[in-house]
Amino acid sequence: DVVMTQSPLSLPVTLGQPASISCRSSQSLVYTDGNSHVHWFQQRPGQSPRRLIYKVSNRDSGVPDRFSGSGSGTDFTLKISKVEADDVGVYYCMQGTYWPWTIGQGTTVEIK
Amino acid sequence: EVQLVESGGGLVEPGRSLRLSCTASGFNFGDYAMSWFRQAPGKGLEWVSFIRGKAYGGTTEYAASVKDRFIMSRDDSKSTAYLQMNSLKADDTAVYYCTRERGWITKIRGDIDYWGQGTLVTVSS
Repeated sequence: DVVMTQSPLSLPVTLGQPASISCRSSQSLVYTDGNSHVHWFQQRPGQSPRRLIYKVSNRDSGVPDRFSGSGSGTDFTLKISKVEADDVGVYYCMQGTYWPWTIGQGTTVEIK
Repeated sequence: EVQLVESGGGLVEPGRSLRLSCTASGFNFGDYAMSWFRQAPGKGLEWVSFIRGKAYGGTTEYAASVKDRFIMSRDDSKSTAYLQMNSLKADDTAVYYCTRERGWITKIRGDIDYWGQGTLVTVSS
């Protein structure tokens, strides 16, 4: 199975400052179509997960443009340009390229 | 509006069975794949199972941790997906989320676009 490793696992951030979460896979996630099927989810406290980014860098509808995704192959990154209070929660990367789908351990974003 | 409502969770003894339901509304259920994820208390997300839409034969995929114990099925006439959980273990204790997957439309693998609110399953004697 593909192992998804996120870092850091805890990320204290000052309001208005940027944040970056890394997600590395144990093997290349490039599918036969040439795309990496890597997605990012946000889970606010007490809520169901919500997807922010699909296929590495595409923002879902309604997601603020302060969220961006990048990467290729085995290294992927989620960035928040200026953290707001509403961004507190746990962030997960997930790969859909191979069965079984696998998910990173999660990164907890908190306000300093 | 797309809605996914899970039900059937509760307290169950180890070794027993439980069936979860996910009732969908707001879209043509039979056209979409569905999936279950779970989250143990205080832990991260884990994908559990997946079932394709009727156009792809309704075939299934499972995580190794539940294969041969859990069975995912669907009844398109009722817009409902099920997760039959057998031989339950304490490690199966989690909130179980139902999700919709639209990869057959977008050609994006693992294209989860909607989540339910979850149902808690507690396996304990």
